[in-house]
Amino acid sequence: AQKVTQAQTEISVVEKEDVTLDCVYETRDTTYYLFWYKQPPSGELVFLIRRNSFDEQNEISGRYSWNFQKSTSSFNFTITASQVVDSAVYFCALRRGAGNMLTFGGGTRLMVKP
Amino acid sequence: GAGVSQSPSNKVTEKGKDVELRCDPISGHTALYWYRQSLGQGLEFLIYFQGNSAPDKSGLPSDRFSAERTGGSVSTLTIQRTQQEDSAVYLCASSLISSAGPNEQFFGPGTRLTVL
Repeated sequence: AQKVTQAQTEISVVEKEDVTLDCVYETRDTTYYLFWYKQPPSGELVFLIRRNSFDEQNEISGRYSWNFQKSTSSFNFTITASQVVDSAVYFCALRRGAGNMLTFGGGTRLMVKP
Repeated sequence: GAGVSQSPSNKVTEKGKDVELRCDPISGHTALYWYRQSLGQGLEFLIYFQGNSAPDKSGLPSDRFSAERTGGSVSTLTIQRTQQEDSAVYLCASSLISSAGPNEQFFGPGTRLTVL
């Protein structure tokens, strides 16, 4: 069975602070894919990143960075110098290598205050 | 290009009525998915289409729920005899399929269903 846990249900920061969103997953598969999605107040889920289980390289995209560690089954997401527009609910998700459906975590609501 | 579109954006219905929710995937995306987002249950998978066939219906909560896809494009999710617990946002997503399996899924804006 697959499981994704986002222990932080809500985080509040002040603009320009750095913030890390935690994601821990469980799977028995050796091949799997991890994802992060952003859901702004408008409601539409926006794809941010996909990471394969065999690629543990960290990734940076502008103010966003992702740290994938198989040893701790974690795929954490850091926003540097947060902005008000980053306010949203962020979901971490897992897909089996041979599967199709996404198993989502419960989401972390990030509020960035000016 | 155009993203995934869903209609209606909002639907209010009375308990016991049937509803149909529509999804137009991104052109060329072979895979199509339905999910449900509710306060108590989070984001739940309902059904997966590859082309017009549905190899994975494991998430459909009851036999009141059904879905079809025609022409490898538009999909309709039908809920019969709606119940109040069906109230949720129904999300549709689509993706390409590669040799490694489905790629990242792109989501539509959702249909907010309220059953009175």
